[in-house]
Amino acid sequence: DAGVIQSPRHEVTEMGQEVTLRCKPISGHDYLFWYRQTMMRGLELLIYFNNNVPIDDSGMPEDRFSAKMPNASFSTLKIQPSEPRDSAVYFCASSLRGFREGYSGNTIYFGEGSWLTVV
Amino acid sequence: RKEVEQDPGPFNVPEGATVAFNCTYSNSASQSFFWYRQDCRKEPKLLMSVYSSGNEDGRFTAQLNRASQYISLLIRDSKLSDSATYLCVVNTYGNTGKLIFGQGTTLQVKP
Repeated sequence: DAGVIQSPRHEVTEMGQEVTLRCKPISGHDYLFWYRQTMMRGLELLIYFNNNVPIDDSGMPEDRFSAKMPNASFSTLKIQPSEPRDSAVYFCASSLRGFREGYSGNTIYFGEGSWLTVV
Repeated sequence: RKEVEQDPGPFNVPEGATVAFNCTYSNSASQSFFWYRQDCRKEPKLLMSVYSSGNEDGRFTAQLNRASQYISLLIRDSKLSDSATYLCVVNTYGNTGKLIFGQGTTLQVKP
């Protein structure tokens, strides 16, 4: 089975430009997550969806960031306008169900990440 | 205070050594706990879940202490291939999708 697919893998853009990151979750997974990872802050949850509905966007840093999930097989994370401090690895991930003790086999599957550099 | 805290290391150990990592979490209502492994420039992957009674998977043993709110990971007979960053992960909000990741502990196993 295909895993979580992200694109682009690498992007270098100039400050002020719009950046769109794309994600295709694992088929049948109900949850989709967007994480950002930097050396300073580690792995931070930006937003997650359940059945295409945004559930918690409290991690979205500011209005320049937006995320959508128009259907069960596609999500985007958009940054407009981009700034150098947005440089990071952006991971998309999906899982079959939420996390609850007893669901010991459940896990979250990450894509390979989109490496964003804003200059 | 961070919700999940780990010693970033690095831990430099020789092959065959036993090494232990600890992680503390701040929310006593946390319900699910995991260790993830992340190789350099790769995505995190589940290493093992952590059960209340503790659990073992080959050379890896995970323990949970709810009273003290910490989780541990013990690696026995370290291999060169164990070199990676180990992330402590907590589901802080019960039956939802929110996983909180620690900053990670870096392990370097040397020949």
